[in-house]
Amino acid sequence: DVKVTQSSRYLVKRTGEKVFLECVQDMDHENMFWYRQDPGLGLRLIYFSYDVKMKEKGDIPEGYSVSREKKERFSLILESASTNQTSMYLCASKRQGAGTGELFFGEGSRLTVL
Amino acid sequence: EDQVTQSPEALRLQEGESSSLNCSYTVSGLRGLFWYRQDPGKGPEFLFTLYSAGEEKEKERLKATLTKKESFLHITAPKPEDSATYLCAVRGYGNKLVFGAGTILRVKS
Repeated sequence: DVKVTQSSRYLVKRTGEKVFLECVQDMDHENMFWYRQDPGLGLRLIYFSYDVKMKEKGDIPEGYSVSREKKERFSLILESASTNQTSMYLCASKRQGAGTGELFFGEGSRLTVL
Repeated sequence: EDQVTQSPEALRLQEGESSSLNCSYTVSGLRGLFWYRQDPGKGPEFLFTLYSAGEEKEKERLKATLTKKESFLHITAPKPEDSATYLCAVRGYGNKLVFGAGTILRVKS
């Protein structure tokens, strides 16, 4: 069964802490994405990656960075967590190629920043 | 700027009571409209892709339709297991996927 796995389902961190969210996919997909999901706002794109070591800013990149050292792994980093980063974080992947919107999502990481 | 608005925000149905969810969109050159289902505490799961007005797709009790301004997700004789949040997204010439806020569907037996 194809899968996108997010390492942490629930995290509680303190303001100012550095936070790592890890995502691994086993489908050999070129494209990977990080979204955050907040009630009433839908999914908002933070960063995406077309290939290894490549990254592009999404709509809300401020306060975040990413790393893609291997094709299967895409990490989201919060350098100094703040309370307004409390949210559900979703990782997704898809095959390369325009026209396909079929994203495969992980189960999400719910982050609470105190 | 591409935009997606879903209505209603929440919908409660009795088992067997058919209804429709709406997804209104504005996009610079539609390259695809997508429906996802999201169960509580889980990531979204892909349902359908629609590319042009008049197109329809079906899966079990769900049927998605598309016009030039909106899409409908019709649910026929729903069951409690159809309870979920349904998300709509569009991709335009900018090649970016823009999501709506979703409709929370609850089906009571």
